[in-house]
Amino acid sequence: NAGVTQTPKFQVLKTGQSMTLQCAQDMNHEYMSWYRQDPGMGLRLIHYSVGAGITDQGEVPNGYNVSRSTTEDFPLRLLSAAPSQTSVYFCASMHFGTYNSPLHFGNGTRLTVT
Amino acid sequence: ILNVEQSPQSLHVQEGDSTNFTCSFPSSNFYALHWYRWETAKSPEALFVMTLNGDEKKKGRISATLNTKEGYSYLYIKGSQPEDSATYLCAPNTDKLIFGTGTRLQVFP
Repeated sequence: NAGVTQTPKFQVLKTGQSMTLQCAQDMNHEYMSWYRQDPGMGLRLIHYSVGAGITDQGEVPNGYNVSRSTTEDFPLRLLSAAPSQTSVYFCASMHFGTYNSPLHFGNGTRLTVT
Repeated sequence: ILNVEQSPQSLHVQEGDSTNFTCSFPSSNFYALHWYRWETAKSPEALFVMTLNGDEKKKGRISATLNTKEGYSYLYIKGSQPEDSATYLCAPNTDKLIFGTGTRLQVFP
């Protein structure tokens, strides 16, 4: 099993550009989520999904879109990048409904917006 | 949005010291409490997932307890080692996982 795979590992964008961060998991996890790492704030939840076709907002959803057309994939779209979106982004997944299942994290995508 | 508080924010201890941190969370709509260990430049890794009031879990020198009625969990590290240096995160599962800001532990030789 590859686990949770995030691409790209690094990305530099100019203000106003758009891009999609990819996340895929091969563990048949129902729950998938996106977090951003902010200094002094830990991990903040952007969006999450409890199954294909279902998405919901987390703590900091503004400026980001998600979709969940398959169980395996959960892409995160930046609509118009801003310097405030410079961060490390983590995708994570887990079984949902068996409440003793932990989150499995990808290796992160480091995004810089200039 | 759920308010998850962790204390202390940071902790510096000597090798061999034992230490503990606190995670407090609203006790409504609660399914489980997660603890993660997060080393610099790496991804968070799961330590424990606890679901029952009074639950106690142990992994080597690290253990955790859970009180769902009053909404808190303690993480204990016995005989801290330099390799225990990391940020420790907690997150209650209320159909989504919201993390606290973490406790940053530094263990000096």
